[in-house]
Amino acid sequence: GENVEQHPSTLSVQEGDSAVIKCTYSDSASNYFPWYKQELGKRPQLIIDIRSNVGEKKDQRIAVTLNKTAKHFSLHITETQPEDSAVYFCAASRSGANNLFFGTGTRLTVIP
Amino acid sequence: KAGVTQTPRYLIKTRGQQVTLSCSPISGHRSVSWYQQTPGQGLQFLFEYFSETQRNKGNFPGRFSGRQFSNSRSEMNVSTLELGDSALYLCASKAGQETQYFGPGTRLLVL
Repeated sequence: GENVEQHPSTLSVQEGDSAVIKCTYSDSASNYFPWYKQELGKRPQLIIDIRSNVGEKKDQRIAVTLNKTAKHFSLHITETQPEDSAVYFCAASRSGANNLFFGTGTRLTVIP
Repeated sequence: KAGVTQTPRYLIKTRGQQVTLSCSPISGHRSVSWYQQTPGQGLQFLFEYFSETQRNKGNFPGRFSGRQFSNSRSEMNVSTLELGDSALYLCASKAGQETQYFGPGTRLLVL
């Protein structure tokens, strides 16, 4: 089955700096890669996703890049704000499949 | 549209008991997936239902089961509870090939 690895497990940045979280996957058939943000005591919420026919996708301060050859994808958050503090999960799945394989999460802390 | 809802939100059970959790998907979503979230194992897929049929199943013992009703609402059942079943149980719904949207979860504590 799919194995998704996520690094780092914790990340602290100063407000206004950028944050980068990296994930690798093992199943070359995976072609859908969402990122979820989970604040303490709340549900995971999708913040951005990318499909394998696209190399990069941006949404305001958030971007995701995908390297299919190397089987890794990354989340980039620019101009970080304290409200970006949360646990971020990457995930991977195959087209048509309905089970997401999640990374182990990154706890991001933005220091004001 | 209303989001995914789950009941109950919190539950305390003792070892050996069984528990049933409920999930109501977003209106129009026919796929419901269940995940277990624990600090040690992270988010793990349990199973997925579509049109009252289980389409996919994760690597969990047979004590974990589920079903889906004709209105797409889903339930999961855990029998003979073990301490290790303490977790946040999340359900997620989706329409077609779109994104999965998560409910708030049911936090189960097994004593």
